[in-house]
Amino acid sequence: NAGVTQTPKFQVLKTGQSMTLQCAQDMNHNSMYWYRQDPGMGLRLIYYSASEGTTDKGEVPNGYNVSRLNKREFSLRLESAAPSQTSVYFCASSDPAPQHFGDGTRLSIL
Amino acid sequence: DAKTTQPNSMESNEEEPVHLPCNHSTISGTDYIHWYRQLPSQGPEYVIHGLTSNVNNRMASLAIAEDRKSSTLILHRATLRDAAVYYCILREAHYTGANSKLTFGKGITLSVRP
Repeated sequence: NAGVTQTPKFQVLKTGQSMTLQCAQDMNHNSMYWYRQDPGMGLRLIYYSASEGTTDKGEVPNGYNVSRLNKREFSLRLESAAPSQTSVYFCASSDPAPQHFGDGTRLSIL
Repeated sequence: DAKTTQPNSMESNEEEPVHLPCNHSTISGTDYIHWYRQLPSQGPEYVIHGLTSNVNNRMASLAIAEDRKSSTLILHRATLRDAAVYYCILREAHYTGANSKLTFGKGITLSVRP
């Protein structure tokens, strides 16, 4: 079972570059989430989508945009990457609980 | 969101039971207690959840205090693979929409000695 798949697994960007992180789930879940995790910290919610066609801001949305492309896919976009966005990004899905997480995208911004 | 308080770290010996505590003194009557764990370099994974009664599954047991102000995750026989960060999270019973999101703290880091 694939579960939640995130691509890419690793990425290095230069400040100011843009990038889209992809997430897809094959469990037919309604809700999807994007979190970031900084070293030594718990996960913080960036954006979530309670159902197809809806998105809402989480705790730390500044600098990010999201698209719920369809029920399976939820992408996270950095329009102009900043060093403060260096982090590990996790996507999750649920319907309604528990949440299932991907293995993360490790993003470094120089 | 109601908050949880966990120790920063705990050590245990392999094949011994481990009791991971969590305080949640401001829990509301509709909050479920969820536990997730995060193995090194992986995303979090669900462990167990409960409302009032103690719960058991293949991974662990959850003991909930009678007043629900605290709970304990019990790993019956710790293995090296159980070394992880364990998160205790409160989640409202009505899961739809905004209430479905999780709020993670720093969790408790469990080390397992061979």
